[in-house]
Order: sequence, then C-alpha cells, then structure tokens
Amino acid sequence: QQQVKQSPQSLIVQKGGISIINCAYENTAFDYFPWYQQFPGKGPALLIAIRPDVSEKKEGRFTISFNKSAKQFSLHIMDSQPGDSATYFCAASMNYGGATNKLIFGTGTLLAVQP
Amino acid sequence: DAGVTQSPTHLIKTRGQQVTLRCSPKSGHDTVSWYQQALGQGPQFIFQYYEEEERQRGNFPDRFSGHQFPNYSSELNVNALLLGDSALYLCASSRGQGGGTFFGQGTRLTVV
Repeated sequence: QQQVKQSPQSLIVQKGGISIINCAYENTAFDYFPWYQQFPGKGPALLIAIRPDVSEKKEGRFTISFNKSAKQFSLHIMDSQPGDSATYFCAASMNYGGATNKLIFGTGTLLAVQP
Repeated sequence: DAGVTQSPTHLIKTRGQQVTLRCSPKSGHDTVSWYQQALGQGPQFIFQYYEEEERQRGNFPDRFSGHQFPNYSSELNVNALLLGDSALYLCASSRGQGGGTFFGQGTRLTVV
C-alpha cells in the first residue's frame, strides 16, 4: 500500500514531442504528489507538485494530470527538448500532523529526447 | 539563496568502517530528511529530523543514525559498513507541509 508504481521504465521522444510518464498508487491517505527531475550525478530537483483537490496543474511546459478516482497521476512535458533528457521520479506523501512527511518514490523513468 | 549543501561529494570506505555525512539545509528550512538511492532506483527514506530529534524512520537498521544541530544542519552516521551500503546518500530539507522538499547533490559512498 505504500508503493508508487511508475511507467514506463524508459522513454524516447523526438524533439518537440510530448513526453508522458504515469504513476499509480494504492494508499488513499496520500495527499501530496510531487515530480522530480534528476540528472546523472546530481540530486533530484523538484519540478512540480499537486494535491488531490485539483485535477490539473501547469507550470511552463510541465503539466500534472491527477485522477483521484483511478488513483493515478501523470507528468506531461510539452515541446520536449534534448535538455529535458534525465530521469524523472514521481513521489507521494501523506499528511503528518501538518508537517513534512517522508516521500515514497516511484522507480523512475529514463527520458531521452532525440534532436 | 544557497540550496541544500552536502559534504563530501564522494567517499570511499572499507567494509566495517564508519562514515559521517554532513548536510546544511536550505535557508529557512527546519526539517532535514536523509534518503539512500541505489543505482537505477528511486530514493528510499532513511529518517527525518526536526527540532533536533528523530521524528520518522524508514526501514533501515540501527547502524544508520543521525543528528540535527541547533542551526538545523544534520549528520548521517553509518557504522559497520557493508558492501551493500554503497549508494548515493541524499539530504533533503523542508519547512512545514506546503513548501516542498528540496534535495542536495548527494554524497556518493563507495564501500570496498
């Protein structure tokens, strides 16, 4: 129940295309869903996050779509660029008395954007 | 505004030895968490410190311990190192629930 399942494991997209990464969870107590971008040898960088009270959030070329009934959420990268080539992780956490709770990470998606 | 900083960036230790990793949180953050990331996997939560006390702990043995100082910086200690402890160790900081969790660049630990 604590798992977050992420797919696909790897993804190849042409420059200018749309990259879509999907995640699913079981624990309905999760109430915070961030996405992280990680380049080789670096720490994960927070990209965008969403809470279950909204179905979509957009920041620049990055959009999270959230389906509460299906317990699924996805990251869409519009107009994908070679510089977006990295590993992407979805994560989830639950309320911990108003404080920051631990993040449960998916297994990651290696994205390659071809020029 | 400095982000989360970790030291050292790389470390090689011998099996059985002890290691200490250090972390300074992002300015304004009071909560520090540590994660272990094995090659090709997602980060796994080790523990979290708030107000100098361990508040949450993941599924890691007692060989993993930590400390938070009054200035919110933190240390991760691992005793009796095993080959399987080789990983990227990530420090993350946050404040409250809504501000997001930010990671440092990590410390690459290699146990030989």
